[in-house]
Amino acid sequence: ELKVEQNPLFLSMQEGKNYTIYCNYSTTSDRLYWYRQDPGKSLESLFVLLSNGAVKQEGRLMASLDTKARLSTLHITAAVHDLSATYFCAVDKNSGGSNYKLTFGKGTLLTVNP
Amino acid sequence: KAGVTQTPRYLIKTRGQQVTLSCSPISGHRSVSWYQQTPGQGLQFLFEYFSETQRNKGNFPGRFSGRQFSNSRSEMNVSTLELGDSALYLCASGQGAGNTIYFGEGSWLTVV
Repeated sequence: ELKVEQNPLFLSMQEGKNYTIYCNYSTTSDRLYWYRQDPGKSLESLFVLLSNGAVKQEGRLMASLDTKARLSTLHITAAVHDLSATYFCAVDKNSGGSNYKLTFGKGTLLTVNP
Repeated sequence: KAGVTQTPRYLIKTRGQQVTLSCSPISGHRSVSWYQQTPGQGLQFLFEYFSETQRNKGNFPGRFSGRQFSNSRSEMNVSTLELGDSALYLCASGQGAGNTIYFGEGSWLTVV
């Protein structure tokens, strides 16, 4: 059974600081997704990582994938209050096919304080 | 371009009743999947459909079922509702694995 572990689960940081959220998964997969969820809202897609060594950046967020280590990271640079949200990583178990089945981590609740 | 549309957004049902939730995917997307989100269990995969065929199913009891129509719209049904079925049900659509998967606003189900 595929397991996806995120850490930390709770992250309180100051504006302007940098931090990294880690996503470890238990079985081979080369499809990893990052999402953001604001309270009471749906999931907003941030990144789709499809190969070993993939790196994507959008604004203050950068995501990377190491399929050999079964690890993805979401790096936050110079955090601002607007980044406060819950961040989820999700791994697609059906690697190689056209169908998909996402297994989500428990999420990281990020709070950025002034 | 319209996003993933789910109806109804909020509903309250009584134990033992059944409920049907609807999802209209983004135009052109043939893959639709459903997820349940609860504070205790987090986000869990229910099923995925493509061209009216269920391709994947999560570990949920048979009370949870779904279907997809020829226009890619999808419905999920939960019969004999239990209190534990109270959750946010999210529908997602995409163009297949490896592409961005877009989520709808969700249907908030409360079972009393």
